[in-house]
Amino acid sequence: AQSVTQLGSHVSVSEGALVLLRCNYSSSVPPYLFWYVQYPNQGLQLLLKYTTGATLVKGINGFEAEFKKSETSFHLTKPSAHMSDAAEYFCAVRNQAGTALIFGKGTTLSVSS
Amino acid sequence: DAGITQSPRYKITETGRQVTLMCHQTWSHSYMFWYRQDLGHGLRLIYYSAAADITDKGEVPDGYVVSRSKTENFPLTLESATRSQTSVYFCASRGEGSNQPQHFGDGTRLSIL
Repeated sequence: AQSVTQLGSHVSVSEGALVLLRCNYSSSVPPYLFWYVQYPNQGLQLLLKYTTGATLVKGINGFEAEFKKSETSFHLTKPSAHMSDAAEYFCAVRNQAGTALIFGKGTTLSVSS
Repeated sequence: DAGITQSPRYKITETGRQVTLMCHQTWSHSYMFWYRQDLGHGLRLIYYSAAADITDKGEVPDGYVVSRSKTENFPLTLESATRSQTSVYFCASRGEGSNQPQHFGDGTRLSIL
């Protein structure tokens, strides 16, 4: 069965610090993985995705993620946090039938000055 | 403008009332989705549609009805609203292929008194 676990419902960092948001998945088919960001009172926006090919994926706003099959992980990183990165982040994996996404419960990122 | 729009953005209603949330997309995407977002649960799929006149249940379909007579529209109806259906509802769409990302509307915040 497909599932996504996001470790840490809340992560706090200082401006300029490394951002690391963790995502582990379970999938019975080759995984397609996605990271989305949600700002207050808005819908979800795609940050990046992994489907096939290069395992290090670069996205918007300086974020990147690395697909590690052996660890069933797809952690999201950014070298230097900015105040505007404060938001909720969701990791998702396609379902077994390939018809929909299964989302993790989300991680709220807070950035302090 | 191209995109996905939801209406209304905010709705307050009473238990037992019927309420319909609208979703319209201009990309001619084949797939459309309805999610609800609740604290501690992330996003949960209610219903999805692979094409006009083709719909299927998601994780939490009870109490909801959908239809899709036209590719661009995917309304969600609560036939007899209950307080447990108070939530933020998001519509999304994507093109063919499970490697395609979903694009989200800005959501409808629904309160049932």
